[in-house]
Amino acid sequence: DAGITQSPRHKVTETGTPVTLRCHQTENHRYMYWYRQDPGHGLRLIHYSYGVKDTDKGEVSDGYSVSRSKTEDFLLTLESATSSQTSVYFCAISDPGGSTDTQYFGPGTRLTVL
Amino acid sequence: RKEVEQDPGPFNVPEGATVAFNCTYSNSASQSFFWYRQDCRKEPKLLMSVYSSGNEDGRFTAQLNRASQYISLLIRDSKLSDSATYLCVVNEASGNTGKLIFGQGTTLQVKP
Repeated sequence: DAGITQSPRHKVTETGTPVTLRCHQTENHRYMYWYRQDPGHGLRLIHYSYGVKDTDKGEVSDGYSVSRSKTEDFLLTLESATSSQTSVYFCAISDPGGSTDTQYFGPGTRLTVL
Repeated sequence: RKEVEQDPGPFNVPEGATVAFNCTYSNSASQSFFWYRQDCRKEPKLLMSVYSSGNEDGRFTAQLNRASQYISLLIRDSKLSDSATYLCVVNEASGNTGKLIFGQGTTLQVKP
């Protein structure tokens, strides 16, 4: 299995509070991605990173920000959580143009916003 | 129209059956195609890449039809352990970002 971990694995929080999810990889892959998965929508890309300090928006980026200060870590922040952000969040890594263009996923974080 | 469309199922089949899933994609410039498997409450895992010539991995066969823009997955001799959701995945054609577009998934339930 690819060396990807996510923390926390489960979180319950209240509307209006800030939340940060962490993705950590040991594969030295250049690209990292954050997705959310909801019933009826499949996996949707929130943000992605193509290197340290290099990030870009995905399909559903509103209400989310990201940061990547080290190759191995990619943080997803909900500045002020809303109930619509209740979801399962997956991080993924790949190395397009390098060792692999397939994406490998972390175990996911279940977030509930009350 | 969704960029990647799959029949969500569920497909309920007996053990030993052969089952086929189809998927269509909208961007003719897409170059990479995959099937991922996702077990309940788990992360998606790569099942197989799909090549133009078709490819086989044990009981699983994937086919790509670029002219019709559809991808198929055939599972022969279904096992109980094949029960899962199968995601059809296509790369976003613009740039080398590695961005993937996921279908909603097709749920397979194999019964004894």
